[in-house]
Amino acid sequence: RKEVEQDPGPFNVPEGATVAFNCTYSNSASQSFFWYRQDCRKEPKLLMSVYSSGNEDGRFTAQLNRASQYISLLIRDSKLSDSATYLCVVIFRGGFKTIFGAGTRLFVKA
Amino acid sequence: DAEITQSPRHKITETGRQVTLACHQTWNHNNMFWYRQDLGHGLRLIHYSYGVQDTNKGEVSDGYSVSRSNTEDLPLTLESAASSQTSVYFCASSEGGLGTTDTQYFGPGTRLTVL
Repeated sequence: RKEVEQDPGPFNVPEGATVAFNCTYSNSASQSFFWYRQDCRKEPKLLMSVYSSGNEDGRFTAQLNRASQYISLLIRDSKLSDSATYLCVVIFRGGFKTIFGAGTRLFVKA
Repeated sequence: DAEITQSPRHKITETGRQVTLACHQTWNHNNMFWYRQDLGHGLRLIHYSYGVQDTNKGEVSDGYSVSRSNTEDLPLTLESAASSQTSVYFCASSEGGLGTTDTQYFGPGTRLTVL
């Protein structure tokens, strides 16, 4: 079993739709959690950190569920420009180990 | 503006040659990382450094080495390039230290082809 797992998709949604991605992790010692966005052939860029209390940034909401060991990303009112690959990232501070999920591909259509 | 840069952006080399990829950051971050990204595998950690003179192996370190002689630079060396090392390589940095976040910032990547 991979330490961090994501549904690879692709998710094909129309503009204006709401879409949700999940990411599960296997190590309960995980310390920090993030969602990154990666456009084709470009570097990953931080989308948002993920906290137990949940956090929101405009149309994006991230949640962490430590009991079930998963993080989620909700995108509301999807835009064409949201088309990208979304990577979840889990960091284990004890061993300073960074694990990236393989990514979930999103296509937003007009 | 502070930034993280990588060079070269594209490199073609032959099997058995030594190759060095450069990474330079101007944020004065303590932590630096090297990843490779391949289809179906996502990003995998090769080596990382907490600070000057500190280096650590990551998940896929065989065939790679790094050295950290100053805060700004973490060059990645492929001692004897193999075709299996054809990949896109990303360098990243984070602040490090107590009270800081683990947020990593990435360079633009180097596309390496080993023939």
